[in-house]
Amino acid sequence: EAGVAQSPRYKIIEKRQSVAFWCNPISGHATLYWYQQILGQGPKLLIQFQNNGVVDDSQLPKDRFSAERLKGVDSTLKIQPAKLEDSAVYLCASSPINRGKKRQGSYEQYFGPGTRLTVT
Amino acid sequence: QKEVEQNSGPLSVPEGAIASLNCTYSDRGSQSFFWYRQYSGKSPELIMSIYSNGDKEDGRFTAQLNKASQYVSLLIRDSQPSDSATYLCAVTDSSYKLIFGSGTRLLVRP
Repeated sequence: EAGVAQSPRYKIIEKRQSVAFWCNPISGHATLYWYQQILGQGPKLLIQFQNNGVVDDSQLPKDRFSAERLKGVDSTLKIQPAKLEDSAVYLCASSPINRGKKRQGSYEQYFGPGTRLTVT
Repeated sequence: QKEVEQNSGPLSVPEGAIASLNCTYSDRGSQSFFWYRQYSGKSPELIMSIYSNGDKEDGRFTAQLNKASQYVSLLIRDSQPSDSATYLCAVTDSSYKLIFGSGTRLLVRP
């Protein structure tokens, strides 16, 4: 079974530029997550999609970050304009959880390789 | 503010010893508990999940959960240098959002 795919793996941009990240989840996984991981910290959830709808975006800085998951499969996360403090690894994860089917194991999240963003 | 607390380490153990990693959480409504391993420069890898009080064993790994004390631990038996990594504790809150600790860095000395 193929894992979560992400691209690009690395990106260097100047502040105030824009950048986009792409994620393809594990086949059949209904839920997709974007996390930000700053060096020395645990991942922090930015946004959660259930199929193509947003479940939680409470920690997404909506003035500069946007995300979409068209057709309930692939997702893109965009930052515009970038700030120095956006330098981090952006992780995409997926899980099989589906609302109304809460069972053990369905909340296990599997991560992609991440995109390391450096803003200069 | 829902929190997951871990000692940042590093926890240094000799090869062959038992490594004990601990985690506490603040949300009494938490139902699912996970341990992820993260090598330097890599993404987190799920190694254990536990949902009910008690112990769960998988190979050299044992996860322990005590909901009354809001405490989760991970034991690694016969530690190997390849186990050297950061171990992230993650807990679902009452809305099933995953909250991560900052991780404990484990060093296994040959």
